[in-house]
Amino acid sequence: KQEVTQIPAALSVPEGENLVLNCSFTDSAIYNLQWFRQDPGKGLTSLLLIQSSQREQTSGRLNASLDKSSGRSTLYIAASQPGDSATYLCAVRTTQGGSEKLVFGKGTKLTVNP
Amino acid sequence: GAVVSQHPSRVICKSGTSVKIECRSLDFQATTMFWYRQFPKKSLMLMATSNEGSKATYEQGVEKDKFLINHASLTLSTLTVTSAHPEDSSFYICSASRKHGTVNTEAFFGQGTRLTVV
Repeated sequence: KQEVTQIPAALSVPEGENLVLNCSFTDSAIYNLQWFRQDPGKGLTSLLLIQSSQREQTSGRLNASLDKSSGRSTLYIAASQPGDSATYLCAVRTTQGGSEKLVFGKGTKLTVNP
Repeated sequence: GAVVSQHPSRVICKSGTSVKIECRSLDFQATTMFWYRQFPKKSLMLMATSNEGSKATYEQGVEKDKFLINHASLTLSTLTVTSAHPEDSSFYICSASRKHGTVNTEAFFGQGTRLTVV
């Protein structure tokens, strides 16, 4: 059964710092991996989608990498801003019980201090 | 990006009543939608997969008679929490995946619904 782990559970950094969030998954048989952002009491906003054949994706100050064979992904945030404060969720798309599903980690709660 | 709209964002209901939550894909057709429940400090828990024109597929441990799902069109799925109890209080989120070819690709999520049962 696929399991997704995110480390650290919480992270607090000063504004301007570059940071890395980690995601690991136990089964490398995935279709893709997606990073989301969730603000308190809100839904999920898709940040980056990496297909299983890709190694990385970039959007603005965000860069996500994928090493499928080792079951790891990282989300790099450059020059962090207070507005980046949120919970970041990693999810892999995989087949479970005969159907495609997204399996989520518990998230990393990021606080960027001004 | 694609937009998925979920309504209402918040609802308070009395024990024993039913509550309906709507999920709409606004700019693409979604043959499959997903309903999740989110507990504090836990992963999103998939409750069921909503299939347009057919019965929903429920995850193990989710009561299908309590959480009724209807996917009557390619842009609308509804989740009805029947005979609500305080323990049903939670954050419910829907999702729709936009297909590329025959593979579901990117998932888009609604804004979520905070249900409080009193």
